[in-house]
Amino acid sequence: DQQVKQNSPSLSVQEGRISILNCDYTNSMFDYFLWYKKYPAEGPTFLISISSIKDKNEDGRFTVFLNKSAKHLSLHIVPSQPGDSAVYFCAASDTGNQFYFGTGTSLTVIP
Amino acid sequence: EPEVTQTPSHQVTQMGQEVILRCVPISNHLYFYWYRQILGQKVEFLVSFYNNEISEKSEIFDDQFSVERPDGSNFTLKIRSTKLEDSAMYFCASSEAGQGARDEQYFGPGTRLTVT
Repeated sequence: DQQVKQNSPSLSVQEGRISILNCDYTNSMFDYFLWYKKYPAEGPTFLISISSIKDKNEDGRFTVFLNKSAKHLSLHIVPSQPGDSAVYFCAASDTGNQFYFGTGTSLTVIP
Repeated sequence: EPEVTQTPSHQVTQMGQEVILRCVPISNHLYFYWYRQILGQKVEFLVSFYNNEISEKSEIFDDQFSVERPDGSNFTLKIRSTKLEDSAMYFCASSEAGQGARDEQYFGPGTRLTVT
């Protein structure tokens, strides 16, 4: 039951360029979306969130875009830095307090 | 900066044994969670806990699992009779106010459970 999907298991980007990580969901009841970043041997760290009443949220180098009609969200990182290399998880929730996570995309930023 | 801590970092146990995974959430947080991640798979929600009771649980959280807040600081996950398929990374998380998922959940570093 994959309610949240991240179809790209990995992504490589040159330092300074834009990284775009994608996420699709199937449950139309989801109304809150988050991106988490995870380094090896650490727990996920919250990065940025967006409510379904918005279509864009920006925080520094990170921007999340939400396309509700397509049930798609994306995370843009610009400019990408080597320290951004990590696994990025998309997560979604409905009115409850449980997150549904995607399988993650491993981002490598090449210096 | 306050953080969620988990002990042990790695637990090896034999099938059928009981294990207790421990977490210390951030001190002023009110909601507590357990998630697990089987190697190579997605992070899966297990249970949320608020006001000394379970507020939500997933299908994974069956009768072999239980959670407890035995004192004012610890939050534990007990697996009564471990199975091979319980081998996973278990993450504890906590959030501040009473809005559950609408609050940022802070995750601990995880406990790797290996059942042999």
